[in-house]
Amino acid sequence: DIVLTQSPATLSLSPGERATLSCRASQSISTYLAWYQEKPGQAPSLLIYDASNRATGIPARFSGSGSGTDFTLTISSLEPEDFAVYYCQQRSNWPPTFGQGTTVEIK
Amino acid sequence: QVQLQGSGPGLVKPSQTLSLTCTVSGGSISSGTYFWTWIRQHPGKGLQWIGYISWTGTTYYDPSLKSRVTISMDRSKNQFSLRLSSVTAADTAVYYCARAGVDSNGGHNWFDPWGQGSLVTVSS
Repeated sequence: DIVLTQSPATLSLSPGERATLSCRASQSISTYLAWYQEKPGQAPSLLIYDASNRATGIPARFSGSGSGTDFTLTISSLEPEDFAVYYCQQRSNWPPTFGQGTTVEIK
Repeated sequence: QVQLQGSGPGLVKPSQTLSLTCTVSGGSISSGTYFWTWIRQHPGKGLQWIGYISWTGTTYYDPSLKSRVTISMDRSKNQFSLRLSSVTAADTAVYYCARAGVDSNGGHNWFDPWGQGSLVTVSS
C-alpha cells in the first residue's frame, strides 16, 4: 500500500496567517491526490482533487500543488472557519489510502 | 444535491457482527456510475478505506478486512450497507459512508460527498 506521510502533525497559527501543509507519498502517485477538511463533529469534505483543482464552492485561498511524491496544501490567509484537520488521500494505487492528518489550530 | 446518512447500532459486542446502513437522498443509488463507499476512523487516528460497491453491484474491499467485510446494496430502499463480522475492540471507530465517481479509466474518483459518521464501539 502507498503510505502518505503528512507534516507537521499540528500547525499553530493565527487568523490571517499563511498555512502550508505537506503530504509525502511513499512512491510516485502522479497527481492522483486529494485534500479533505474535517471540522469537529462534521464529516470530511473534499477540498482539492487531482493535486491542484479546487472542489466546487471552495474559496480561492485554498490551493494545492505538487506531483510525484511531494504535495502541498496552502491556505493563503487563515479564516476562523479554516481551523480544522486536513487529510490527504491518494487514488493512484489500489487500495486508496489516507495520510494521518494535520491539525491546524489557533495559536 | 445528494446527501448520505449513516445509521446503525452504536454498541456491538466482541465477536458479533457490526451492521450499518447508509441512506442516500437527493438522487438514486441506481442512477449514474458511482462507487458507494465505507471509510472508518479509529479514535484519534487517520482514515481507513474499508471498501465499496459499484453501480453494477461489484464489491471491492481492503485486503486487511476482506475476510470479514460485506458491502451490499438495496436499490429499492436507496441504501447500501456494511457488515463487519467477528469484531474486536480494534474495530471501534467512526464509520463514514461516502460516494465516489468514476474516472476516465473506469476506476474510482474522489470521495464526495460523505455522510455524517456513526460511532461504533465494540465492548461487552
